[in-house]
Amino acid sequence: SYVLTQPPSVSVAPGQTARITCGGNNIGSKGVHWYQQKPGQAPVLVVHDDSDRPSGIPERVSGSNSGNTATLTISRAEAGDEADYYCQVWDTSGNHYVFGTGTKVTVL
Amino acid sequence: EVQLVESGGGLVQPGRSLRLSCAASGFTFDDYAMHWVRQAPGKGLEWVSGISWNSGSIAYADSVKGRFTISRDNAKKSLYLQMNSLRAEDTALYYCAKDSSTSIAARPMDYWGKGTLVTVSS
Repeated sequence: SYVLTQPPSVSVAPGQTARITCGGNNIGSKGVHWYQQKPGQAPVLVVHDDSDRPSGIPERVSGSNSGNTATLTISRAEAGDEADYYCQVWDTSGNHYVFGTGTKVTVL
Repeated sequence: EVQLVESGGGLVQPGRSLRLSCAASGFTFDDYAMHWVRQAPGKGLEWVSGISWNSGSIAYADSVKGRFTISRDNAKKSLYLQMNSLRAEDTALYYCAKDSSTSIAARPMDYWGKGTLVTVSS
């Protein structure tokens, strides 16, 4: 089955840039979605189709996808960005959705 | 405002059954596919099952195939998950999530409920 690998944790200083990777075999050929989950809350969609932002998501949150790696970038990091982040794709061979392993972002 | 409210969770013994419900409001329910996603305590997200707008297309994770059944009632604006032969590893918070399209392939989940907790233990 298709596997998405994320780093367990990423730390970033306030005002700096955090990059969260999502690795998968030829993931660049798939549409990648990203979700933010704060403690005790439901996930929130922050990027869809590699790089599109839903309304209400700030421009400093962006996404890219190429080759075997998709990346979620959070610029000018703020304390409110502290959360777990998950990537997601549709696995056509298995006919099911797959979530990444999740990355905890800490703003130091 | 889109609202998804899950119910039906609780403590159940291994091997028994449970039925989860999700009441939807704030959008045209029968225009969208729907999903169940679960999260074991302290763990990541796991997609469980999805159903298209008209129930014509249904998919399951391998971990629940043959034990869980997803269904929907568009007249009642409700989504269901019948869970049979429950195991300890099914213990999780179960979220109901709205798809952004009519089908269950490739599109993101744009709204989520707060979840209902299922605990499988003797």
